[in-house]
Amino acid sequence: AQRVTQPEKLLSVFKGAPVELKCNYSYSGSPELFWYVQYSRQRLQLLLRHISRESIKGFTADLNKGETSFHLKKPFAQEEDSAMYYCALSGGSNYKLTFGKGTLLTVNP
Amino acid sequence: NAGVTQTPKFQVLKTGQSMTLQCAQDMNHNSMYWYRQDPGMGLRLIYYSASEGTTDKGEVPNGYNVSRLNKREFSLRLESAAPSQTSVYFCASRGGVPYEQYFGPGTRLTVT
Repeated sequence: AQRVTQPEKLLSVFKGAPVELKCNYSYSGSPELFWYVQYSRQRLQLLLRHISRESIKGFTADLNKGETSFHLKKPFAQEEDSAMYYCALSGGSNYKLTFGKGTLLTVNP
Repeated sequence: NAGVTQTPKFQVLKTGQSMTLQCAQDMNHNSMYWYRQDPGMGLRLIYYSASEGTTDKGEVPNGYNVSRLNKREFSLRLESAAPSQTSVYFCASRGGVPYEQYFGPGTRLTVT
């Protein structure tokens, strides 16, 4: 069975502070991991995929297979980063996505 | 390209009424999905269609039916709506590598 855990429902930081959104997963095979972002009342948008090792909007995430984690980080948070963030795992031939319950990030001025 | 589109955007139903949520994608994707989003629960998969002509149950299929009408369209039907089905419903599609899913704008459904 595959599972994604985001331990923080809410995270509040000040503008310019570093931010880390935690994601831990459980999967017996080689997972594909993603971070999605949902701005207020909008559709989910892909933010990052681990396979690309890219940086989008200043965010990065590194897959740590030993700790089964895929934490999302940004060194200097901006107010426009305020949103709901979902970590998701894809595994298996049908490529279903299993989502964590999300972390609501608020960046205060 | 419009991507993934959903209709309607909002709907209010009375308990026991039926309705169909429509979803279409213009990206020539094989796989399509229906999720519901509830506060504190994240997104939960209701049904999915790995390819045209196939459908499978997800995590929370009870009370729903789906139809993969063709490669573009994947509809979700509530035969007898219940207040527990009040939620925001998202449709998504997936193409090939690198396998991320693309989401529609959502349908906000309230059942009274």
